[in-house]
Amino acid sequence: AQKVTQAQTEISVVEKEDVTLDCVYETRDTTYYLFWYKQPPSGELVFLIRRNSFDEQNEISGRYSWNFQKSTSSFNFTITASQVVDSAVYFCALRVIQGAQKLVFGQGTRLTINP
Amino acid sequence: GAVVSQHPSRVICKSGTSVKIECRSLDFQATTMFWYRQFPKQSLMLMATSNEGSKATYEQGVEKDKFLINHASLTLSTLTVTSAHPEDSSFYICSARLGALQLNYGYTFGSGTRLTVV
Repeated sequence: AQKVTQAQTEISVVEKEDVTLDCVYETRDTTYYLFWYKQPPSGELVFLIRRNSFDEQNEISGRYSWNFQKSTSSFNFTITASQVVDSAVYFCALRVIQGAQKLVFGQGTRLTINP
Repeated sequence: GAVVSQHPSRVICKSGTSVKIECRSLDFQATTMFWYRQFPKQSLMLMATSNEGSKATYEQGVEKDKFLINHASLTLSTLTVTSAHPEDSSFYICSARLGALQLNYGYTFGSGTRLTVV
């Protein structure tokens, strides 16, 4: 069965601190896709990144970076020099390859950046 | 590109009435649409998967007679909450799965509908 676990329910840091959001996934598929989404208070989901299982290179986009480790089934997300605008709920998700190819979401991590 | 327009964004209805939520793909054809429900401070829970021209597939525990899904065209999917009750109050989000030529097998989401049943 496919499953995504985000063990950190809530994180609160002071602005400019670095923060890492953890994501651990379970799947029996050899090919799979992982995603991170941001959900600000307005509710819409903002796509951040998609990673396929064959590409283990870490990715950096501005202050955001992702560490994909197949050996530990983890896909962690780090925000460097956090800003108040980063406050949101962040979801890690796994794409199921079979059937309709639905997304399985983690429980989400509520990140609060305090000024 | 690949925008899904979801309406209404907010709706308040009386207990016992029905509410229809629409999701339209504006610049692409959405063969498959997913409907999620999100309670406060919780994750997105998949309710059902709709495919154009066929019956929706509901997740375990979701009442198909209460949450009617219609996907009659490649650009429109609707969710109707029938005989709504206060416990149906939630945030409902639709999502279209994108094909190989669009955003690398990603998904695009509607902006969500906040339903309050009073």
